[in-house]
Formats: sequence, structure tokens, C-alpha cells
Amino acid sequence: GAGVSQTPSNKVTEKGKYVELRCDPISGHTALYWYRQSLGQGPEFLIYFQGTGAADDSGLPNDRFFAVRPEGSVSTLKIQRTERGDSAVYLCASSFGTSPGTDTQYFGPGTRLTVL
Amino acid sequence: QKEVEQNSGPLSVPEGAIASLNCTYSDRGSQSFFWYRQYSGKSPELIMSIYSNGDKEDGRFTAQLNKASQYVSLLIRDSQPSDSATYLCAVSNAGGTSYGKLTFGQGTILTVHP
Repeated sequence: GAGVSQTPSNKVTEKGKYVELRCDPISGHTALYWYRQSLGQGPEFLIYFQGTGAADDSGLPNDRFFAVRPEGSVSTLKIQRTERGDSAVYLCASSFGTSPGTDTQYFGPGTRLTVL
Repeated sequence: QKEVEQNSGPLSVPEGAIASLNCTYSDRGSQSFFWYRQYSGKSPELIMSIYSNGDKEDGRFTAQLNKASQYVSLLIRDSQPSDSATYLCAVSNAGGTSYGKLTFGQGTILTVHP
């Protein structure tokens, strides 16, 4: 079956621009997570959705970052006024959501964001 | 102190040897522990999960958990060159608003040389 998909795979933008990153989770998975991974580091949690609602957005670094999941499936991570420090690989993961603490999270291939 | 720390790498072992990867965590409320493998330029892939103290074996992989010492490890027996990757330790708290959130260590790069 299809895994988690993310688009675009690469995004190059200029400082100050707005970007949207899309995640399409595995069908039937109600839990969706966004992480950010910088070079040489482990993924860093950004936000967790259970269904349509953001159950935990404590990892969003500031108010330039926002994410939505309006129909409980596809999610979009939105970054306003991008900065060079936002450059990283943005990973999306999904799980069944029945037991979030133990469910396996399946990761997508990521979007590599480069802010010039 | 970082929430999840892994032994510094890179780690290099000969083919056929045992590779030992270690991880400590600071949050005593952590309930679930995961080892992910990440090949260069690829996304993390789950290889082991462990929730109770003791050992859990799956093929050539053995995860060990000691909650009293806040320590989790991964042993890879009969290491193969295809095991060369970055290994990420991740922990999850079973309650509160952080339920489901994975906190990762920085990763340990493993190289298995023929």
C-alpha cells in the first residue's frame, strides 16, 4: 500500500517568502506529526494532529509556523516570512492514532527546504 | 542536559561483529522507546520498539531497556555492511499533552566495514 507522501521533495525559496509543505498520510491513519531535521541532528517535533485538531503544537518555533489538517487527512505546514535558519528537512509521519504513545509512526520522504 | 542522548559516534565495526548503540533519557515519565534506522538522504524507518524492562529480540536486533537507569540500547549481531546507517533513539511520554510526540536523540552513525 501507499506510504506517507510529501510534496514538494525539494523547495528553494528566498528569505522573506511564504512556503507551504504538504503531507498525505497513510489511508486510515488519524494521527499525523510534523518534525524538522537539521543536518547531523535527530528529528525535532513540531506539531501533532489527532483527526482535524492540533493536539500538541508545542514544538512550533514561533508564530511564523502554522499547520492545518482541515479534513483529517492531508496536512499543510505553512511558513511565513521564511528565514535562512528555517532551512532543514521537514518530515511528516502518520500512525493509526488508537494508542499514540505506542503506535508506530511511519515517516514520509521529507521536504528539503532551502532558504537563500 | 539533552532530553535524549546517544553515544557519540561514528561507530565503526567489522562485518560479523556486534554493534552496540546506547541511549539515555531524562524524562522519567517516558513509557515507549524506539530505535529508527536512517540511511543517508532517506527518512527514518522503525526497526525496534520496547516498552517494558528487559530484552526484546527480533532477528539480529536486540533492544534492552532499564527504566531505573533511564537507559535503552540496541545490539546488532552479525553486523552487515547494509546495516551502515544512522541509528536514532526516540522516546515517547504516555500521557499529558505530549502524548504521541517522539523526542529523538542526535543519532549515532554506524559503519560496518567488510
